Amino acid sequence: KAGVTQTPRYLIKTRGQQVTLSCSPISGHRSVSWYQQTPGQGLQFLFEYFSETQRNKGNFPGRFSGRQFSNSRSEMNVSTLELGDSALYLCASSLSSRYYNEQFFGPGTRLTVL
Amino acid sequence: DQQVKQNSPSLSVQEGRISILNCDYTNSMFDYFLWYKKYPAEGPTFLISISSIKDKNEDGRFTVFLNKSAKHLSLHIVPSQPGDSAVYFCAALISGGSYIPTFGRGTSLIVHP
Repeated sequence: KAGVTQTPRYLIKTRGQQVTLSCSPISGHRSVSWYQQTPGQGLQFLFEYFSETQRNKGNFPGRFSGRQFSNSRSEMNVSTLELGDSALYLCASSLSSRYYNEQFFGPGTRLTVL
Repeated sequence: DQQVKQNSPSLSVQEGRISILNCDYTNSMFDYFLWYKKYPAEGPTFLISISSIKDKNEDGRFTVFLNKSAKHLSLHIVPSQPGDSAVYFCAALISGGSYIPTFGRGTSLIVHP
């Protein structure tokens, strides 16, 4: 079956702009989590959505938001971009957050903020 | 404050030898631990896990050891192969809580032929 897909794969924005990233989970998976990966901080949890509801949220400012649609596809939005937002943004899907052994990651979206 | 630490950013090993990747944690509430492998331009993939009720879990060439008293776990790869060259992330979670894993910063393993 098809894996987790993320679009776009690469993105360049300037400070102050906003950006929307998209994630399509594996068919049947209802949980979608977002992570930020930077060289200095490793993978940091942003938020998790399950059945269109945000179930968990990491320690990120309100500029980071997300949503999930009825088909489980998820979007992540970052407003008023800062240079420090440059990172690889990873999406992961699973049947449920309890199935942590079966969490599948997408290839990520590389965001560069100039 | 990092709750999961991988103190070695990189490790270089000869093919056929053992690779040992280490991970330390500070939160005694963590009771489930996972290792992920990540190749460039790909997302992390789950490798092996261990529950705190065990001290060892083995899957083929990969073995994870857990020392709860030291709050330390390690991943052993024997024998190491060039295809094992990747970044390895250690993660920990509280299984009765949010199930959200806390990741270390990763260790880049290079296996030389």
